[in-house]
Amino acid sequence: VQLEQSGAEVKRPGASVKVSCKASGYTFTGYYILWVRQAPGQGLEWMAWIKHDSGATHYAQRFRGRVSTTRDPSISTFNMEMSGLRSDDSAVYYCAYSEDGIVARDWGQGTLVTVSS
Amino acid sequence: QSALTQPPSASGSPGQSVTISCTGTSSDVGAFDYVSWYQQYPGKAPKLFIYDVFKRPSGVPDRFSGSKSGNAAFLTVSGLRAEDEADYYCSSYAGTNNLIFGGGTKLTVL
Repeated sequence: VQLEQSGAEVKRPGASVKVSCKASGYTFTGYYILWVRQAPGQGLEWMAWIKHDSGATHYAQRFRGRVSTTRDPSISTFNMEMSGLRSDDSAVYYCAYSEDGIVARDWGQGTLVTVSS
Repeated sequence: QSALTQPPSASGSPGQSVTISCTGTSSDVGAFDYVSWYQQYPGKAPKLFIYDVFKRPSGVPDRFSGSKSGNAAFLTVSGLRAEDEADYYCSSYAGTNNLIFGGGTKLTVL
């Protein structure tokens, strides 16, 4: 079982970024993918989750309207797109597998997003 | 919602026990038995160590234990070993499908 994330990105302020996460080896179809970010030297911050089977989503209040998470269930690939990037969005973005939307049981390797002019 | 409060650092000598606290509110830690703890080495992804307050995933040593009292949760590491030196993060369900993390604690094995 594993989560494989897309590669590092460098973006200009105001641009958008999409991070992908491919899940493999999971047999439970009702799982969630959590999106969590970690700014340099900082703690973890939960951003959103998406449910694999229904596509239902939920966002942390501070990211609503700026972050969108989608999925292609046929290939178990999940995407997180963030618009209006600012320098303080520079962080490692993780996807994580969860069976209840609460416990992050497995984590992707992380995707570094750098926002710089 | 503000992050859960953790001490920035904790330390202990090999073989000793150390407890890391995670303080929330009556709307998150105090309201639900859904506290998790994650271990993270520098430059690596976090790893689940404790969930549902005290449960351990397979493969996590029983030297690690979790508990909760009121609005605070605790991670205790007994018989400290050098490889326990890492950052530890707590998280809690905060109701209405929301999740919240703590600021993290750097555990140093002296």
